[in-house]
Amino acid sequence: GAVVSQHPSRVICKSGTSVKIECRSLDFQATTMFWYRQFPKKSLMLMATSNEGSKATYEQGVEKDKFLINHASLTLSTLTVTSAHPEDSSFYICSAKLDRGGGETQYFGPGTRLLVL
Amino acid sequence: SQQGEEDPQALSIQEGENATMNCSYKTSINNLQWYRQNSGRGLVHLILIRSNEREKHSGRLRVTLDTSKKSSSLLITASRAADTASYFCATSGAGSYQLTFGKGTKLSVIP
Repeated sequence: GAVVSQHPSRVICKSGTSVKIECRSLDFQATTMFWYRQFPKKSLMLMATSNEGSKATYEQGVEKDKFLINHASLTLSTLTVTSAHPEDSSFYICSAKLDRGGGETQYFGPGTRLLVL
Repeated sequence: SQQGEEDPQALSIQEGENATMNCSYKTSINNLQWYRQNSGRGLVHLILIRSNEREKHSGRLRVTLDTSKKSSSLLITASRAADTASYFCATSGAGSYQLTFGKGTKLSVIP
């Protein structure tokens, strides 16, 4: 149980285009999901907290108009990188917290590798 | 802001040996968790230790927490080649589910 999927797993796009990444909790409901960014050989940096039915909470330094988050259902959050540029190339990972049970544990998706040319 | 600092940054050991990784943090915490990440993949939760606990075991894993020193250690006993991965500690504060990750330790277990 507690499986989180991400789609796509890998995406290459041209500079200036927008890319949408999906994060799904497959077998549980998640009111709260988190989006992280990870640069090569670096740790995860929290970008934003996604809350179902309300606006996401962004961390300091993360542009909300650049990284659009939509959490329209209890099992799906999406991150859209708008007008992507090469510096947005990174590994994006989502996580979800169980609504019931699970305590403080977060369950992570497999990640999406974004390469902007 | 990132507060966890793991050391060593990289660790290479022979199969069968024990691996110890340390994590230090700066602010008060509600709990500390250890995660594992295989190269280019997502994170797998290993173990959670609460601020009022000092030691916890799970299989070949042993975690200690010293809140007075704001540090934690992860011990993997009888390591296996399959343990090769990066290991991260992550902390969360009271009333928050947000995790702050350390920089990670890259463990290589040589068969």
